[in-house]
Amino acid sequence: KAGVTQTPRYLIKTRGQQVTLSCSPISGHRSVSWYQQTPGQGLQFLFEYFSETQRNKGNFPGRFSGRQFSNSRSEMNVSTLELGDSALYLCASSVGQGADEQYFGPGTRLTVT
Amino acid sequence: GQQLNQSPQSMFIQEGEDVSMNCTSSSIFNTWLWYKQDPGEGPVLLIALYKAGELTSNGRLTAQFGITRKDSFLNISASIPSDVGIYFCAGPLDSNYQLIWGAGTKLIIKP
Repeated sequence: KAGVTQTPRYLIKTRGQQVTLSCSPISGHRSVSWYQQTPGQGLQFLFEYFSETQRNKGNFPGRFSGRQFSNSRSEMNVSTLELGDSALYLCASSVGQGADEQYFGPGTRLTVT
Repeated sequence: GQQLNQSPQSMFIQEGEDVSMNCTSSSIFNTWLWYKQDPGEGPVLLIALYKAGELTSNGRLTAQFGITRKDSFLNISASIPSDVGIYFCAGPLDSNYQLIWGAGTKLIIKP
């Protein structure tokens, strides 16, 4: 069974631009969670989706948004990029509840200049 | 709110040494998960624990679900260079829609 895939793996954007990151969960997994990880930091929860519904959201500004499609694939969008948004963005999928065992993709490394 | 306190923050180890780290919470958990992250990659699930007192092994790794359900321990025996990385513990938030995470224990090999 294929693992979680994330595209693109690397991205360079300039301040003020917007970006969309994509995540394809493991087949059969219906929950997708997104995290931001900055150098030397732990995992900061962004949001969790299940059956196209956002069930939980972390403490991030409204510039961070996401969605989930009927095939469980998910995208997250960051508008009006700031330098501080430079980070590794990770998505994780789980079978049902977001608090189940989560399986991570390789991440998207976003650099904002 | 719920928090996971993970210690130590970092460890310098020599190849062949045994390693111990732990994770504690002020709240009761029903699940403990241990992950390892290599630089620039996503965390990989190592061990999942679901029952108080449970002891589970995965090769040289052994994790235990504390009897109080407020802590968990991860041990690595006879460490090797590829054990280097960051180890995270995680457990479900009350809502069950979200995991909360420890800050990680960074394993570094002594030169």
